[in-house]
Order: sequence, then structure tokens, then C-alpha cells
Amino acid sequence: TQLLEQSPQFLSIQEGENLTVYCNSSSVFSSLQWYRQEPGEGPVLLVTVVTGGEVKKLKRLTFQFGDARKDSSLHITAAQTGDTGLYLCAGAKGGSYIPTFGRGTSLIVHP
Amino acid sequence: DSGVTQTPKHLITATGQRVTLRCSPRSGDLSVYWYQQSLDQGLQFLIQYYNGEERAKGNILERFSAQQFPDLHSELNLSSLELGDSALYFCASSVEAGTSSAKETQYFGPGTRLLVL
Repeated sequence: TQLLEQSPQFLSIQEGENLTVYCNSSSVFSSLQWYRQEPGEGPVLLVTVVTGGEVKKLKRLTFQFGDARKDSSLHITAAQTGDTGLYLCAGAKGGSYIPTFGRGTSLIVHP
Repeated sequence: DSGVTQTPKHLITATGQRVTLRCSPRSGDLSVYWYQQSLDQGLQFLIQYYNGEERAKGNILERFSAQQFPDLHSELNLSSLELGDSALYFCASSVEAGTSSAKETQYFGPGTRLLVL
């Protein structure tokens, strides 16, 4: 059983569409991070959220941490082909940052 | 480019063999983390070193070991390889020891793709 469940597992959309991906857990995290991983590369950190209910925006990407700090969502507005990649969420507990990763959402944006 | 380098990029070997993966952290980073990424398990934390000393252990098999040298580069040794060890192995580095998740950013290398035949 995965500690962090990500959904959907796969997503294939057209350029210009909006989408939301989810990261859910029954555990409470002190912080949660979102990464994007492109083929042949390592994950790259997009954002860290630490406060329940926190919303962060990064251009067309909006990240939200659930009030209870058990879940998070990533919303992309007007997706572009450059958004294609594997989106991973990672949660950390307590004072030591050893993250637990979800299996990711694989996003393909078609031109 | 994250500043973290990993060699080799690809490695093909046979069951029962031993391999060594190498990682050079970003300049100034003292902490190195090793991860394994496979299709069925996702990205799994293996082990962390901070300034030459082991700091945290995750799902690392006894057949695997790692070390961090005085120049802060790290090596992950995988022995008695099995087919199931085929995966992407990532190294990440950060400045501190990971004591505060909100302040820590891990920078991942490009990975080593290991194929065990």
C-alpha cells in the first residue's frame, strides 16, 4: 500500500485544456512537495507547501495543501506541450526530511 | 542542469555481478541521498549521507551499500545483482542534513539506468 496515492495515474490532453491531479494520504505530513520529472532526467522541485490550506501559484500551476495536511492538488491552466512529464508528490513527516514519494501522474499534452 | 552529476548514465550487467554507481553533489552541498525508481515501486529512498556519515536509512537491501568520501562524492555499491534490481538509480544532494523539510531542497542528478540480464 502506497502512503501517498496519486490520481489519475495517466492523463492525455490537448494543449489549452485545464487539468487537476491529486495526491492523497491517510497520514498527516509536515510538508508536501511537488516535482516534475521529464524522460531521462531526475525530478525537479516545483513547490513546497507546509501550512494546511496553503495555496501557491507558479505561473499557470496552482498548488493546494489540504486543511488537514493529508492531501494536495496541482491544477494546471491552459496546458502547454512543455508541461508534459511525470508529476510526483512527496510528503515529509516530523523534523527529518526523508520524503515519501507517490508513484506519480504521467501527463502528456498534445499539440 | 541541477549541478548533480552521476556516472555511468547506463549500465548493463548480468545477475550475480557487482556494480558501483557514482554521484558528485552540487558544489557546497553536504548531504547526498540515493533513490531507486522502478515501474512497480515508484521512487524509493535508499540511504542518506551527511558530510561523510550515514544519516538515514530507507528501504535499502543488505546487498546494497553506500559511502560518502571526504571530497563529498558518494558511491552506491550493488552486489549479487538480481533481475529485480533493474531500475533507475538517482542521487540527490542538499545543503543541510535534512532537519527541516521546509528549508530543504533536494537537487536530483540525471540518474543511472541499470539493466540486469
